[in-house]
Amino acid sequence: GQNIDQPTEMTATEGAIVQINCTYQTSGFNGLFWYQQHAGEAPTFLSYNVLDGLEEKGRFSSFLSRSKGYSYLLLKELQMKDSASYLCAVRDKDYQLIWGAGTKLIIKP
Amino acid sequence: NAGVTQTPKFRVLKTGQSMTLLCAQDMNHEYMYWYRQDPGMGLRLIHYSVGEGTTAKGEVPDGYNVSRLKKQNFLLGLESAAPSQTSVYFCATQTGEAYNEQFFGPGTRLTVL
Repeated sequence: GQNIDQPTEMTATEGAIVQINCTYQTSGFNGLFWYQQHAGEAPTFLSYNVLDGLEEKGRFSSFLSRSKGYSYLLLKELQMKDSASYLCAVRDKDYQLIWGAGTKLIIKP
Repeated sequence: NAGVTQTPKFRVLKTGQSMTLLCAQDMNHEYMYWYRQDPGMGLRLIHYSVGEGTTAKGEVPDGYNVSRLKKQNFLLGLESAAPSQTSVYFCATQTGEAYNEQFFGPGTRLTVL
């Protein structure tokens, strides 16, 4: 079967750095996405990786290792507004998105 | 531009009742999706459409039907609601390119008693 694993919850301090990991086992691979979802709201797109390596976008970076079936989302200079769930999703061989259950990130002052 | 909108935002049904959820988009995207999101689980695909007049089953299609008569609208129907269908339903759209992200509507919170 297809599976995406992420930690359920993480806590970090305002101004710090946090890394959210995602491991996957899917039927084929056509890219990995990270989305942010604030409580009660819709997911919004953060990043996309299809080749190995690091993609940087401001305070957010995403890394991919296809051989290890592994990705992480790195958030720097954490702000209170970063408190949200972070969803990892993999596009499989049929180009469907397979979603992880999400990591709830709690930021403390 | 409104982007992706969903109607209604909230609904309470009794077991056995029927209803239709409407997703509308003004982004001219070819692909449209219906997902459900339950606590502790990832988004699960119910049905999707790759263009006007087409529909296909996703991971959890049982108990739901869909129609895409116009490119901008994607309807999700529950013929006979069950408590197991209590969930938050999200519609999403995407251009035809595989590398593009999906854009989500605000969601419909459905409770079936």
